[in-house]
Amino acid sequence: QKEVEQDPGPLSVPEGAIVSLNCTYSNSAFQYFMWYRQYSRKGPELLMYTYSSGNKEDGRFTAQVDKSSKYISLFIRDSQPSDSATYLCAIAPGGYNKLIFGAGTRLAVHP
Amino acid sequence: EAQVTQNPRYLITVTGKKLTVTCSQNMNHEYMSWYRQDPGLGLRQIYYSMNVEVTDKGDVPEGYKVSRKEKRNFPLILESPSPNQTSLYFCASSSLPGESYEQYFGPGTRLTVT
Repeated sequence: QKEVEQDPGPLSVPEGAIVSLNCTYSNSAFQYFMWYRQYSRKGPELLMYTYSSGNKEDGRFTAQVDKSSKYISLFIRDSQPSDSATYLCAIAPGGYNKLIFGAGTRLAVHP
Repeated sequence: EAQVTQNPRYLITVTGKKLTVTCSQNMNHEYMSWYRQDPGLGLRQIYYSMNVEVTDKGDVPEGYKVSRKEKRNFPLILESPSPNQTSLYFCASSSLPGESYEQYFGPGTRLTVT
């Protein structure tokens, strides 16, 4: 079993839709949860970062962590064509910098 | 501008011909790391370095070498490349744990080994 599982998609939605992206993880010791966004031909860049269970909101983006279920989600409201990218969840055990990435979900938002 | 730079961005080479991919960061970060990205597998860590002269293996280190002689530079060396090392490579840097877990990635190097 992989430490972090993420559906690779692709996911195609119309502009304005609410998008839900999800990951599951296997190790309950994981403490830090991140979402990176990667545009085509670019390196990943940090989008959201959270430490505890619950929700964290930043504009149109909401990151949700459920430690009891080992499940993390990213919601995008009012999706835009500029949101078209690959979204990678990343999890850190805590205490050092190693990140464990999901495979990434490719999202396309069409006008 | 704070950034991580990699060179070259694209490289096509033949089996067995030694190559080096350079990585440099201007943020004075202690931690640097190399990842490879393959379809369906995501980003996998090859090697990392916590500081100058301190390096350690990641999850997929076979066939790779690194060195950290200066804080800003972390080159990736393939002594004898093979076709299974065809991949997209990313260098990343960050502060030490307790300060931030955000990693800053370079633009990537697409390597093809024939």
